[in-house]
Amino acid sequence: DAKTTQPTSMDCAEGRAANLPCNHSTISGNEYVYWYRQIHSQGPQYIIHGLKNNETNEMASLIITEDRKSSTLILPHATLRDTAVYYCTGPQTGANNLFFGTGTRLTVIP
Amino acid sequence: KAGVTQTPRYLIKTRGQQVTLSCSPISGHRSVSWYQQTPGQGLQFLFEYFSETQRNKGNFPGRFSGRQFSNSRSEMNVSTLELGDSALYLCASSTPARGTGVYEQYFGPGTRLTVT
Repeated sequence: DAKTTQPTSMDCAEGRAANLPCNHSTISGNEYVYWYRQIHSQGPQYIIHGLKNNETNEMASLIITEDRKSSTLILPHATLRDTAVYYCTGPQTGANNLFFGTGTRLTVIP
Repeated sequence: KAGVTQTPRYLIKTRGQQVTLSCSPISGHRSVSWYQQTPGQGLQFLFEYFSETQRNKGNFPGRFSGRQFSNSRSEMNVSTLELGDSALYLCASSTPARGTGVYEQYFGPGTRLTVT
């Protein structure tokens, strides 16, 4: 199975950029890296995904290293509503489903 | 588009009973996956259905089963409930995305099952 490694927790000041790192050296070259977040007691919410190039959407930016062994999710201007657990995920081996690690608990501080 | 809906949202059952949870995917999505989330084990994949067929299965005992109907709605069933089955059960639907790999999955709010 794809394995991801993320810091257990991070704090970020409101209005500042939140940079969440992830190591995913076991995700193979043709598999996407996905980011989700889960606000307390809700279902995970899709944020963004990428393969090789950096990606940006209305929620966040995703920077993937050239060797694809790690990536960083960037929330450009964190708000209190961004407080959540952020998961960097990849597919389970031979399947179409995602492997969720323990994620990073991001706390945005006023 | 309406999101993924799950019913019921909360459920309390007694050990030994069985339970059926329902999931309605986003319109047009043909793949439905189920996950179990507990504080100790995190999010774990149960199974995936596509076009009424189970396509993938996680490492759960046979007490956990599911099915998908022709309209893509899905149900999961847990028989002979155990205390350890208390969890948030999440359903996610997806549709083929560009390129290879996993589809973008959209999750419902979950059903919180408590077994007493």
